[in-house]
Amino acid sequence: QKEVEQDPGPLSVPEGAIVSLNCTYSNSAFQYFMWYRQYSRKGPELLMYTYSSGNKEDGRFTAQVDKSSKYISLFIRDSQPSDSATYLCAMSDGYGNKLVFGAGTILRVKS
Amino acid sequence: GAVVSQHPSRVICKSGTSVKIECRSLDFQATTMFWYRQFPKQSLMLMATSNEGSKATYEQGVEKDKFLINHASLTLSTLTVTSAHPEDSSFYICSARPAGLEDGYTFGSGTRLTVV
Repeated sequence: QKEVEQDPGPLSVPEGAIVSLNCTYSNSAFQYFMWYRQYSRKGPELLMYTYSSGNKEDGRFTAQVDKSSKYISLFIRDSQPSDSATYLCAMSDGYGNKLVFGAGTILRVKS
Repeated sequence: GAVVSQHPSRVICKSGTSVKIECRSLDFQATTMFWYRQFPKQSLMLMATSNEGSKATYEQGVEKDKFLINHASLTLSTLTVTSAHPEDSSFYICSARPAGLEDGYTFGSGTRLTVV
């Protein structure tokens, strides 16, 4: 079993839809959670960073962490074609420690 | 925000030669940098953790003599692929965390290496 599970998709939605991306994990020591967006042939871009449990909102993006269920989510409101990319969840058990990544979910937003 | 510059973005080299990739933190000091490798349509695979002033820590299965990492300053880490072969062709990405600032890890733009 992988430490971090993420559905690779692809996930295809119409423009304007609410997108829900999820990851589950098995290591209860994970405390730091991140979501990255990666366009083809580019480095990952940090979207959201969360420590421990709770919600965090930034513009159209909302990140949720439920440590009791070992489950994290990223919601994208009013999705745009420019949001089409691969979304990677990542987490670590200590700040500065190595990140463990999910497989990445391919998102396609159709105009 | 924190910016990591990676150079070159693309390189083609002949089999048997060595290639150096640079990773610089532009507006912050990075005591720790990470080097990843990514194959097409796959996630990032951590190769090694680079610590300023000390030896890098390599992940299991990564040949330390082939992938030489140097982190000589708080703003620069380099990855040298020695005696490159076609199977080393891949996308290499570095990452750094700002020292003393808990604000996520920033990634470089990646280097596409093609060995012919």
